[in-house]
Parts: sequence; structure tokens; C-alpha cells
Amino acid sequence: DAKTTQPNSMESNEEEPVHLPCNHSTISGTDYIHWYRQLPSQGPEYVIHGLTSNVNNRMASLAIAEDRKSSTLILHRATLRDAAVYYCILRDVGGNFNKFYFGSGTKLNVKP
Amino acid sequence: SAVISQKPSRDICQRGTSLTIQCQVDSQVTMMFWYRQQPGQSLTLIATANQGSEATYESGFVIDKFPISRPNLTFSTLTVSNMSPEDSSIYLCSAGGENQPQHFGDGTRLSIL
Repeated sequence: DAKTTQPNSMESNEEEPVHLPCNHSTISGTDYIHWYRQLPSQGPEYVIHGLTSNVNNRMASLAIAEDRKSSTLILHRATLRDAAVYYCILRDVGGNFNKFYFGSGTKLNVKP
Repeated sequence: SAVISQKPSRDICQRGTSLTIQCQVDSQVTMMFWYRQQPGQSLTLIATANQGSEATYESGFVIDKFPISRPNLTFSTLTVSNMSPEDSSIYLCSAGGENQPQHFGDGTRLSIL
């Protein structure tokens, strides 16, 4: 399974942008980069995913390095509700039955 | 996006007993998975629930301990057998299509006395 490396924790101020980094130096050509977040006492929630190009949706943006060995999840304006554990996951759609293997994630704390 | 419902949401069980957790999806999906999340930890994949055939287990998980059924494209069960305190965890199911985001239930919080 391709591995990801994320900082254990990060802190942000409310209404400021947040950049959550993820390193995945062993990524393969068929690995999609997925981001999920887990709010307290809930199951993980899909945030965004991409393959090579940067992606935007209503929740966040995903910036993918040109060599694909790293990516950054961008929350444009953090709110208190964004305090969660954020997981960067590589999903092999070329095989491995589309499985998700979660790493340890980044715990984001948002200060008012 | 699929909506996932898990039952029960929590339970307290006696050592040596078994508990079956149900996962219902509001639409047909190709992929269903079961995870365990121990206190303060990340999620660990237990197995892939295959419709109409035996589940595919990850290393460290066996069918005798975690039998899984998937009778159709919207439903799966996970049984935690012969429970011990070490099985106290949150058990989560996820579902989705191939190459599509997975959606998760809120989990079953299991405590073993």
C-alpha cells in the first residue's frame, strides 16, 4: 500500500486559510489522492480527490505537485466546524479493489 | 451520495459473547468495506464485503473472528465473535462505487466488559 505522511497536528485561526500538507513519495500512476475528514463522534466524511490536476469543490481545494509526490488540502476560510482529523489517502484504482488505507491523519484545531 | 445507516450505534457486551452489526445503504453500491477504529487511533481496514461471495480479509483479521455477510448490493453485516476487552472499538462500514468516493456510517461503539 502506498503510504502517506502528514503532520500530527496543526492550528489555525477562524476565518483564515489553512494549508494541510501530505507527502506520498511512493505514489503510483494509478493512485488517486483522496482527502477525508473525521469530526468528533462521526464517521469519516469525503472532502475531495484528484489524480494529477488541481481540484476545487465547495468544501476545499486540492493542490497536487507536478511530480505527484505531495499534495496540499486548502480550506479557504476555516470555521470552528472545520476542526477535525484530516486524512490523506491514496486509492489504487488500477488494482487492490479500490481499497482505502488510512494513515494517522492531521488533527486540525481552529481557534476563534 | 449514498447514506449509510449502522445498527446498533453502541452496545456494551459481555466477554465471550458475539455481536452482529448491520450496515444499510440507501442505494445499490458495488463496494462495501468494514473498518475498526480503536480509541484515539486511525481507521484500520478489516475486510472487503463481497456481494455473493466470501469477504476478503486484511492481514491480521480472520473470518472466524469477524464473519461478514453481504447478501445484496445494499446491505452487509459484521459479527464480532467471542469478544474480549481488546475488541472494544468503533466499527465502521463504508460504501460506494468503483472509482467513486466512499461514504461512511457513524459507526458502532462497542464496549466489552
